[in-house]
Amino acid sequence: DTAVSQTPKYLVTQMGNDKSIKCEQNLGHDTMYWYKQDSKKFLKIMFSYNNKELIINETVPNRFSPKSPDKAHLNLHINSLELGDSAVYFCASSQAGYNQPQHFGDGTRLSIL
Amino acid sequence: AQTVTQSQPEMSVQEAETVTLSCTYDTSENNYYLFWYKQPPSRQMILVIRQEAYKQQNATENRFSVNFQKAAKSFSLKISDSQLGDTAMYFCAFLCNQFYFGTGTSLTVIP
Repeated sequence: DTAVSQTPKYLVTQMGNDKSIKCEQNLGHDTMYWYKQDSKKFLKIMFSYNNKELIINETVPNRFSPKSPDKAHLNLHINSLELGDSAVYFCASSQAGYNQPQHFGDGTRLSIL
Repeated sequence: AQTVTQSQPEMSVQEAETVTLSCTYDTSENNYYLFWYKQPPSRQMILVIRQEAYKQQNATENRFSVNFQKAAKSFSLKISDSQLGDTAMYFCAFLCNQFYFGTGTSLTVIP
């Protein structure tokens, strides 16, 4: 029944490792997003993606890369993890179009040791 | 489970007028936080205002204020003297151990 699901819910790993966070939506939406929420609760868009266009926030390091095997999935790969990557990462989806309602996943808390 | 509901997918307001965006939530928790985020076309998410559930006084930030009704589990956002730059998606969010987001309200300020 979950509309947007992320796995894992918690991820604890060491600096320098490579990790992935998976996101799946069963709403038939065209567009998916990744957000990063830092310790001050500020939400930052990282990527938005549909089958035509990947929009990358230019401030996102290229260690972060989205991978979309199909329209229902947008996974987040992170290489060479750094301490500053510790945050909660949210996946969301919507129909195409800026003002469409976005459905959020529950978030993945990433902790770097 | 916690849920957050924004029942107004789209709203519009005349410039300089006041508009209220509604948000309701469902929880059995007593201590939590509530937020309103603004997402302009740039896609950045901007924290507009925050309310602690244990505080009875409604939070205010310049032209933005909330009407927090804990018993009714309601957390509406009032924007006074609306400006063109207020045009954006507005997300209501609930925090208790983890975040839960509403689906957003698209607000258009008309010149």
